[in-house]
Amino acid sequence: AAGVIQSPRHLIKEKRETATLKCYPIPRHDTVYWYQQGPGQDPQFLISFYEKMQSDKGSIPDRFSAQQFSDYHSELNMSSLELGDSALYFCASSATGPGNTIYFGEGSWLTVV
Amino acid sequence: EDQVTQSPEALRLQEGESSSLNCSYTVSGLRGLFWYRQDPGKGPEFLFTLYSAGEEKEKERLKATLTKKESFLHITAPKPEDSATYLCAVQADSGGYNKLIFGAGTRLAVHP
Repeated sequence: AAGVIQSPRHLIKEKRETATLKCYPIPRHDTVYWYQQGPGQDPQFLISFYEKMQSDKGSIPDRFSAQQFSDYHSELNMSSLELGDSALYFCASSATGPGNTIYFGEGSWLTVV
Repeated sequence: EDQVTQSPEALRLQEGESSSLNCSYTVSGLRGLFWYRQDPGKGPEFLFTLYSAGEEKEKERLKATLTKKESFLHITAPKPEDSATYLCAVQADSGGYNKLIFGAGTRLAVHP
């Protein structure tokens, strides 16, 4: 079965650089979520989109932005990177409706040096 | 404020030694409670969704149960390949559009 696809799987950036993560949801899923997981921590919700509109916002820094495109893929843009942004970034997707299962991708490892 | 607390933080079992993981939650209107398994450096893998008190679901050696205040993940006769971090998460009425609120997880190690 198709899963949530994230790219790149790993990237290394220097401080103050910009990074873009991509997410391709499961086909026919209309909601995309972004989570950040630091070492030894639980996933923290950043932002979500439903039908290409922002639906909810969590602890996403102002330096980060995201959008969902017409083909439902999403991109997370991170600027002015800081060492503390080093983490595993997960994208997840679900179909419409509360209680519907949210499936996660394998994550993108971002290391800021 | 919606909150999810998991216990214990870490659990070490011998192969075949059954045990339970706990997830306590405080939310204003539960839409669903989810259990995920996460291996190091990997994405959370969906296990179960529970919607109402009294509901139970099983998959191989795992069984999840739900009450009005907590959920248990029972592991029967675990094997070393069950070693992972088990995450509990809730969707709440006050939590915006379906976002998950995670607990800190239980790190399970099963030794032969």
